[in-house]
Parts: sequence; C-alpha cells; structure tokens
Amino acid sequence: NAGVTQTPKFRILKIGQSMTLQCTQDMNHNYMYWYRQDPGMGLKLIYYSVGAGITDKGEVPNGYNVSRSTTEDFPLRLELAAPSQTSVYFCASSTTEAGYTFGSGTRLTVV
Amino acid sequence: DQQVKQNSPSLSVQEGRISILNCDYTNSMFDYFLWYKKYPAEGPTFLISISSIKDKNEDGRFTVFLNKSAKHLSLHIVPSQPGDSAVYFCAASQDSGSARQLTFGSGTQLTVLP
Repeated sequence: NAGVTQTPKFRILKIGQSMTLQCTQDMNHNYMYWYRQDPGMGLKLIYYSVGAGITDKGEVPNGYNVSRSTTEDFPLRLELAAPSQTSVYFCASSTTEAGYTFGSGTRLTVV
Repeated sequence: DQQVKQNSPSLSVQEGRISILNCDYTNSMFDYFLWYKKYPAEGPTFLISISSIKDKNEDGRFTVFLNKSAKHLSLHIVPSQPGDSAVYFCAASQDSGSARQLTFGSGTQLTVLP
C-alpha cells in the first residue's frame, strides 16, 4: 500500500532556481492537494485539484504552479525559488475530508 | 487572520492521565471538524472527526467535543500513552460546493511522560 508518495524528501535550492515536487497516489482519489507547513504554523493550502485536468488556487498560490494530467499525479512547480518558499511541503489526496491521506513531505530550503 | 486557532503550542502530560487539546475557530460556516496527528518526518494522519450536528464523538481512547456556541472543540485522550506523543492539528471545513478544503490550526505538541 504505497498511498501518497512524494519525491524528493529533501532539497536545497538556490534563489532563482526552479524545481518540481512530485506527488503520486495509487488510491484512485479524485481530490488532491498541496499544503505547506512553516515552523509554528498550520498547514496552508497552495493548490488543489478535483480531478484530472482541473486545478484551483488555495490560500497561498503565489510562486507556484500545478498540473493534473492524470488521476495519479499532481506535481507542484516552483519557477523562481525565493527564501520565503523554504518550508515543508505536503501532498494529500482524498475522497472526503476525513479521507485525507498525506505524503511524508518534502523539506525544501532556498538559500 | 487565523480561522482555526490552537493557542497552546505544547502540552506535557503524565502517562495514564488525561490529555486535553483545545481548538477555537472563528468561521461560523465550518460544519465539519477533524483532528490529525503528526509524527516527525511523517505526514499528518487522520485521528477523529465530528460533524457540527453532534457535540461529541468517541473512538476508543479519543473523544472530541464540540461547543458550537463557543466555537470551540477539544480532543480528550484517556489514558494518555507515550506513543501519543506527537503534534496534533485541529482542522475544519465547510461545504463550498467543490472539494472540501481543510483549514488547519498551528498544532499542539503533546508529550506524554512515562
């Protein structure tokens, strides 16, 4: 049972670099989400998707982009990394709000 | 503007005693509330939930209480065990007609002392 798989687990980026955080789920969930967690803060929603081909902004979308070409995959793209994007990123999928399954997170540091 | 607040960043409890974690919310449109538990280097995992039509939900050692008039919910863990040591997040959602999005509190680090 893989659940939600995130890669990489850790990454250090230089300011201005770009990268893609990968997220894959094998539970056939329609809903997928990207959250970020800053120290001492709750998880904040970046983007979400209700199904393949459909994405929408969450609370903190600036500086990020997403795509959902398949039910399984929901990559998060950072185009021009900034220190403010240093955070732990969690991908999740669900069929209901109680059914959220989170990945183990990607710890990103921008220097 | 935090719509879900957990005002206690940390809580220490002796093994076998009761742990009470608190959560307040400001959005009266929230109609579903959840608690998630998070261990270091792992993603949050669902623990227990409650609908706004109820005031209590129990699952084994875990009970969630909801006071809608006070916009307050609490998680009781009885008896507390060292394995319960984790960060606990309160979350809330409302029916927006699309995918229900969760709004999270900032978390409370629970430490259960043996």
